[in-house]
Amino acid sequence: RKEVEQDPGPFNVPEGATVAFNCTYSNSASQSFFWYRQDCRKEPKLLMSVYSSGNEDGRFTAQLNRASQYISLLIRDSKLSDSATYLCVVTSSSGSARQLTFGSGTQLTVLP
Amino acid sequence: SAVISQKPSRDICQRGTSLTIQCQVDSQVTMMFWYRQQPGQSLTLIATANQGSEATYESGFVIDKFPISRPNLTFSTLTVSNMSPEDSSIYLCSGEDTEAFFGQGTRLTVV
Repeated sequence: RKEVEQDPGPFNVPEGATVAFNCTYSNSASQSFFWYRQDCRKEPKLLMSVYSSGNEDGRFTAQLNRASQYISLLIRDSKLSDSATYLCVVTSSSGSARQLTFGSGTQLTVLP
Repeated sequence: SAVISQKPSRDICQRGTSLTIQCQVDSQVTMMFWYRQQPGQSLTLIATANQGSEATYESGFVIDKFPISRPNLTFSTLTVSNMSPEDSSIYLCSGEDTEAFFGQGTRLTVV
């Protein structure tokens, strides 16, 4: 079983649609959780952190369920510019170092 | 967050040769990381680059193949040695302050 698993995608949605991505992680000792966005042929960039209380940033809402080891990202009112690959990232401690584990990514295409 | 300048952005190399990738950070960071990303796949950690000590390699990656330097807190290099076509991939460096941030990536093709 992969340490971090994401919806396989791809997701093709019309402009204005609401789309949700899911991610599960296997290490119950995982400490921090993030969603990164990666545009084609570009490096990943932080989209938002994910907190147990849930957090919202404009059209984006992220939620964490530690009991179910589950993370979600909701995008409302999709824009063409939201087209990208969304990576679920989970951190854990390895000795004194913090280690990031990436999901395989979910590809989103927003269609006009 | 801090900014990393990574170069080269891409290269096409002959098998058997070596390529050194450089990353320069605009501020000091304690930990730097090197990743590989195959097309359509996620990032795989190669090693953690520690300043003043040897890098720590992940399973499946060895120092002879991927030597790493970390001479100070703003700079690191990764060398892909004795390349074969299987080494064709995107290589990314990363640092951390309040978040993980990445260089622009090096797209390597070995022919």
